Amino acid sequence: SAVISQKPSRDICQRGTSLTIQCQVDSQVTMMFWYRQQPGQSLTLIATANQGSEATYESGFVIDKFPISRPNLTFSTLTVSNLSPEDSSIYLCSVEGSLDRPREQYFGPGTRLTVT
Amino acid sequence: AQTVTQSQPEMSVQEAETVTLSCTYDTSENNYYLFWYKQPPSRQMILVIRQEAYKQQNATENRFSVNFQKAAKSFSLKISDSQLGDTAMYFCAFSPTYNTDKLIFGTGTRLQVFP
Repeated sequence: SAVISQKPSRDICQRGTSLTIQCQVDSQVTMMFWYRQQPGQSLTLIATANQGSEATYESGFVIDKFPISRPNLTFSTLTVSNLSPEDSSIYLCSVEGSLDRPREQYFGPGTRLTVT
Repeated sequence: AQTVTQSQPEMSVQEAETVTLSCTYDTSENNYYLFWYKQPPSRQMILVIRQEAYKQQNATENRFSVNFQKAAKSFSLKISDSQLGDTAMYFCAFSPTYNTDKLIFGTGTRLQVFP
């Protein structure tokens, strides 16, 4: 399985600012996913990021609030813009596994964001 | 809409005992994938087990096994010989075969293993 790292692991940000989260994978992957996990809740998919194309956002998530970059096959960033306390969550990136294990996703350790 | 339901918010089990976590899902598709993920208190999500809907045989990974009932749209996880390290949130997840690669997660079951 892929090894995924995220930076930062946690941050405390002020209302109105932005935070950019980095996701690095140790192998080339086609699809990367960004999830939000609100306190005590399940995971909600924010968007799917393919290299070389625009990210595909889920209902309720918009590019202006959650811009995503995917410059190559091992890296992606998620920016959470114009922060409000409601954005306090854990943000996780994931990648899909190998072709012989379709739909399996492997997750990074997450970024815990607290907005004050 | 495709949904995943985990009706047990919390479960507890004594070490070395067996526990079963429930999951049901709703889909009109015939082919899909099902997964159980574990999220320990340190929060790294770990894949526990997967099941392809076209396979009738229930998946097994060491102490973890599933009871996949396709007609009933049920996908329960059985943990045998529970260990303290099994303490975690367990999420059931569904992925359709066509048109999308995304996972749809249930609300999770918090499992506490007691010594």
